[in-house]
Amino acid sequence: DAKTTQPNSMESNEEEPVHLPCNHSTISGTDYIHWYRQLPSQGPEYVIHGLTSNVNNRMASLAIAEDRKSSTLILHRATLRDAAVYYCILIVNQAGTALIFGKGTTLSVSS
Amino acid sequence: NAGVTQTPKFQVLKTGQSMTLQCAQDMNHEYMSWYRQDPGMGLRLIHYSVGAGITDQGEVPNGYNVSRSTTEDFPLRLLSAAPSQTSVYFCASSRRQGMAGNSPLHFGNGTRLTVT
Repeated sequence: DAKTTQPNSMESNEEEPVHLPCNHSTISGTDYIHWYRQLPSQGPEYVIHGLTSNVNNRMASLAIAEDRKSSTLILHRATLRDAAVYYCILIVNQAGTALIFGKGTTLSVSS
Repeated sequence: NAGVTQTPKFQVLKTGQSMTLQCAQDMNHEYMSWYRQDPGMGLRLIHYSVGAGITDQGEVPNGYNVSRSTTEDFPLRLLSAAPSQTSVYFCASSRRQGMAGNSPLHFGNGTRLTVT
């Protein structure tokens, strides 16, 4: 099974950039890398996804290593609302076997 | 936009009772799925559907039934609830491209189920 490894927790200060790492050494060539975040008592919220190239959207940037065995979610300026559990997951290119969620990284943001 | 709507938000059942968790989406998504989230276990796939009339089992299907008679609705049925089914249940949907990974999954806010 395709798996990801993330640090259990990270801390940041408000308005500073945050780099959340993820290792996925068993990734296959067609597996997409997705990031979701989850606030307490809410469902996971989509953040960003990519395959090979770096990606940017209004929420964050995704930097993917050249060998695709790791990636980094970048929050450019952390806010208190960014405090959440962040999940890095691989979407295996086959319906039903997708979304293997690990334990995620709990991000704390201080003012 | 409503997105993915799950009802009820909370439910308490006695062992052996049955119930249906409702999930509806208004985005015309082909793919819908159910997950359960337990402490320290992440999200685990229960059942999924790639379109109306088509369903299949995920990682932990035992004790749950699903059907997909319309594109919008994907109910999850517990036929005889057990304490091991105490969990938070999430429904999610995506466009067809989401099955291959190139489209985001949209999640509901969950149903917290307690079986005593």
